[in-house]
Amino acid sequence: NAGVTQTPKFRILKIGQSMTLQCTQDMNHNYMYWYRQDPGMGLKLIYYSVGAGITDKGEVPNGYNVSRSTTEDFPLRLELAAPSQTSVYFCASSAPGFDGYTFGSGTRLTVV
Amino acid sequence: QKEVEQDPGPLSVPEGAIVSLNCTYSNSAFQYFMWYRQYSRKGPELLMYTYSSGNKEDGRFTAQVDKSSKYISLFIRDSQPSDSATYLCAMSRNSGNTPLVFGKGTRLSVIA
Repeated sequence: NAGVTQTPKFRILKIGQSMTLQCTQDMNHNYMYWYRQDPGMGLKLIYYSVGAGITDKGEVPNGYNVSRSTTEDFPLRLELAAPSQTSVYFCASSAPGFDGYTFGSGTRLTVV
Repeated sequence: QKEVEQDPGPLSVPEGAIVSLNCTYSNSAFQYFMWYRQYSRKGPELLMYTYSSGNKEDGRFTAQVDKSSKYISLFIRDSQPSDSATYLCAMSRNSGNTPLVFGKGTRLSVIA
């Protein structure tokens, strides 16, 4: 049981480049989330999804896009990368009810 | 005023000490309260959760919620060097599809 898998673990992008952060979960969870974590700033919600085909913006969605075509996958797309997007990105999933989130191990992104 | 306030520390204590970690919040609609532990360069992992007011104990850990004061606490008894991590509080309005709102996290070091 892998839980939540994020790829890649590390990435360096140049300003203006694009990339997709991959997130897959094998727990059949309905809900999936993308957070970014900056030093000393906690976790800020970028986008979330309550099921396949349904996504919604979080606190800091600008510069990002998501899609949810299957229950398992929730990729995060960065278009025109900017230095302000340098961060650690965490994907998480949860089931209905009150069981908390299962987090992936994160993607460390640096934009130079 | 931010929805969730948490002192980022760092907090350094000797092994065996009792540790008190706290968060305050402004949204009276929050009903579900969680504590996550995050080791360096890892994803957060759920430590404890409580619903509404009251206490919950799990081994050396006790979570307290005081909704009248909008204040939650996590106590760690007989702290160990392995408890050294960042502790994040999180909360939501309901157990369904409302995403968690996280505090900034408190970095704890337990010195042997």
